[in-house]
Amino acid sequence: SQQGEEDPQALSIQEGENATMNCSYKTSINNLQWYRQNSGRGLVHLILIRSNEREKHSGRLRVTLDTSKKSSSLLITASRAADTASYFCATEETSGSRLTFGEGTQLTVNP
Amino acid sequence: GAGVSQSPSNKVTEKGKDVELRCDPISGHTALYWYRQSLGQGLEFLIYFQGNSAPDKSGLPSDRFSAERTGGSVSTLTIQRTQQEDSAVYLCASSLVFNEKLFFGSGTQLSVL
Repeated sequence: SQQGEEDPQALSIQEGENATMNCSYKTSINNLQWYRQNSGRGLVHLILIRSNEREKHSGRLRVTLDTSKKSSSLLITASRAADTASYFCATEETSGSRLTFGEGTQLTVNP
Repeated sequence: GAGVSQSPSNKVTEKGKDVELRCDPISGHTALYWYRQSLGQGLEFLIYFQGNSAPDKSGLPSDRFSAERTGGSVSTLTIQRTQQEDSAVYLCASSLVFNEKLFFGSGTQLSVL
């Protein structure tokens, strides 16, 4: 079963707007990562947040982590058409060894 | 190489045939991973290597699947007696630190007819 679940499954916004995606997970984790996938092929790592961190920034990306709610959010500010992609969260459980990916959020940014 | 390289990029095979997928990780990356992705779905974990060792093989879907890694570098994923349900994109990734910042290849699209 999937550890992480993204929400929403699909999101469509206009260029310049902000996009927020959420990830919920079930068990205690060491870290949570966000990846982007274009055209159904290789994924690109965006950002990693550790279990003892609450917020992290990278350029137009902002990630938050709430371990009490077992959830994370990814905010993309001032979106561009080039941000159109699928976004996945991935978690490493404290009790396991696998890096488990969620089902992803398909983001469409309309020009 | 500059990135993770996978070959072939596309493979069409007949049901019952064996296939071998290859992954060439980034030089120096000790951790290597195989995932499978069906159309429009998330990534399904298959196996990971630390060096040449695969501590967790429980993600392999059946005993028709096997993987090996030699010299701490190239890895091959072998699927014997392929079935139609094996059709998917097979993704390989590597990382310097285990389970952190994975670099993915472009994948092998496997189609079993």
